[in-house]
Amino acid sequence: GIQVEQSPPDLILQEGANSTLRCNFSDSVNNLQWFHQNPWGQLINLFYIPSGTKQNGRLSATTVATERYSLLYISSSQTTDSGVYFCAVVGSNDYKLSFGAGTTVTVRA
Amino acid sequence: EPEVTQTPSHQVTQMGQEVILRCVPISNHLYFYWYRQILGQKVEFLVSFYNNEISEKSEIFDDQFSVERPDGSNFTLKIRSTKLEDSAMYFCASSASYSSEQYFGPGTRLTVT
Repeated sequence: GIQVEQSPPDLILQEGANSTLRCNFSDSVNNLQWFHQNPWGQLINLFYIPSGTKQNGRLSATTVATERYSLLYISSSQTTDSGVYFCAVVGSNDYKLSFGAGTTVTVRA
Repeated sequence: EPEVTQTPSHQVTQMGQEVILRCVPISNHLYFYWYRQILGQKVEFLVSFYNNEISEKSEIFDDQFSVERPDGSNFTLKIRSTKLEDSAMYFCASSASYSSEQYFGPGTRLTVT
């Protein structure tokens, strides 16, 4: 099946800092989503972005499908941005989302 | 904004007991999914369901698991005889089409003792 790799595995930021999270995938995709898992375990949809660039407030994402990677940008980080960020993809012959292992972000005040 | 709901939020059961986890997908969605996440691990796919039948399932989804859409709104996951290793967060999701955005419910935390 399709492989999804996220980097870095852990990220510690000072409040106000900017950061970039990366997601590499091994094959062509029909769907790519970024999620934030909050401390209660809920998966919050951040972006549906199989290609192109989107922005939502302090967060933005870019997917370059031809090069099989996606980037999530967090600007002016806040303590509420802490949690695990997951990238997940649906391969071209699939129905299911295949998740990466996640990036754990800790934002310190 | 429409959302996926799941009940219960927490369930504690004894090994060998049957459990049913319930989900109400977004009303105009046609594709339904169950995923699980063992504590500290990544989210794993269990099963997808479309047009009243399973469209794909993982190796995890063995004979102990079953899914059903008993009416026009509910989607259930049954575990026939729970094992300790079934302890996990179970997420239901739905989407309008097979490649469109999947929306996740808040999850049911299952603890098997």
